[in-house]
This record gives sequence, C-alpha cells and structure tokens, in this order.
Amino acid sequence: NAGVTQTPKFQVLKTGQSMTLQCAQDMNHEYMSWYRQDPGMGLRLIHYSVGAGITDQGEVPNGYNVSRSTTEDFPLRLLSAAPSQTSVYFCASSYLGDSGNTIYFGEGSWLTVV
Amino acid sequence: GENVEQHPSTLSVQEGDSAVIKCTYSDSASNYFPWYKQELGKRPQLIIDIRSNVGEKKDQRIAVTLNKTAKHFSLHITETQPEDSAVYFCAVRGSGYSTLTFGKGTMLLVSP
Repeated sequence: NAGVTQTPKFQVLKTGQSMTLQCAQDMNHEYMSWYRQDPGMGLRLIHYSVGAGITDQGEVPNGYNVSRSTTEDFPLRLLSAAPSQTSVYFCASSYLGDSGNTIYFGEGSWLTVV
Repeated sequence: GENVEQHPSTLSVQEGDSAVIKCTYSDSASNYFPWYKQELGKRPQLIIDIRSNVGEKKDQRIAVTLNKTAKHFSLHITETQPEDSAVYFCAVRGSGYSTLTFGKGTMLLVSP
C-alpha cells in the first residue's frame, strides 16, 4: 500500500514550457486534490475532484489543468509555465461521505520555473 | 469562501513550556477541524482533529479545543520538546465535500 505517490519530486522548467505532475493513490479514495505551498501562504487549493470524470476549481486554478479519468490518478498540467508557478505542489486524497475524513498528502513536488 | 486566520505566525518557547496556536474561521457551517504538522522538506502530517459536535479532544501532550459560537479553535501542546519544532497548520472543512481550507501556518521553535 503506497498511499499517495507524486512524481517528479524535483523539476526545473523554462518559462513557457508545459509539464504534468503525476499523482496516484491506491486507497480507492473518491476525493483527490492539488495544493500549492508558498512561503507564508499556507496551502492553497488549486483543483479538486470528487470522483472519476468530475473536477472543480479551487482557490488558485489559473494556469493549471486537471483531469480525472480513473479513480487512482489525478494529474496536474501546467499549460505554459511562469515564474509565479515556482512552488511546492502537494497532491492529497481522502474518502468522501462522513465529514472530516483524514486527508493523506503525497510527498510533494518541488517546481522551479526560470 | 471560507476564511481561516491563524496566529501567531511564529512562536518560540523553552523546552517544557506549553504552546498554544489559535485559528478563527468564517463559515458557521464548517464541521471538521484538523491540525497538521510539517517538518522541513516533508509533507504535512495530521496530528489531531476535532469534529463540530465535540468541544475538546486530547492525545497525550496535544489537545484541540473548539468554540463553535465564537468560530475559533486552538491547538495546545504541553511539555514541549525540541522535536516539536515544526510548522503547524490548522485547517477547516466547510459544508459540502472534503475540501480543506488551511491557515497560513505557525512556525514553532522549541529551544532546549
């Protein structure tokens, strides 16, 4: 049982390049989400999904795309990277249903856009 | 949307002292309040949580209290140890699905 797996762990991009951060979970969680973490800003929600085929925007969705074709995978796409997207990205998942189910985080992806 | 305020942003204590971190939230329908600890370069880890039908919860040296009327909740750490040094985040789950809104974090430094 691997939990939430994110790849890559580190990435350097040039401005304007595109890339995909991969996220997979093996806990059969309905809910998956992406957060970005910047110094002094806490964790801010980018996009989330409550099941395969369903996605929605969070607090800071601009410049990012997501899709949820399977329960296990929730990739985050940067369409045209900008220096403002330099951040640490965390994928997270949990069950739906009862309120307050524990959210499990991946190990994080450190992204630098130059 | 939900607004979560966390204070203080930094907290320095001596080993053995108690530490208290407070959070306020805006949505009165919020029903779940977890606390996460994040060590440098690591992922956030859940340390304790409380639901809206409970006023206080304890787990060894840590406790969380919730005041729904005032819309605030607090993390209490007693007998602090150097390994408690980390960034602590409060979070709030509002009405609807399992989306969490986080506070901006408190850096706790415990000096030996």
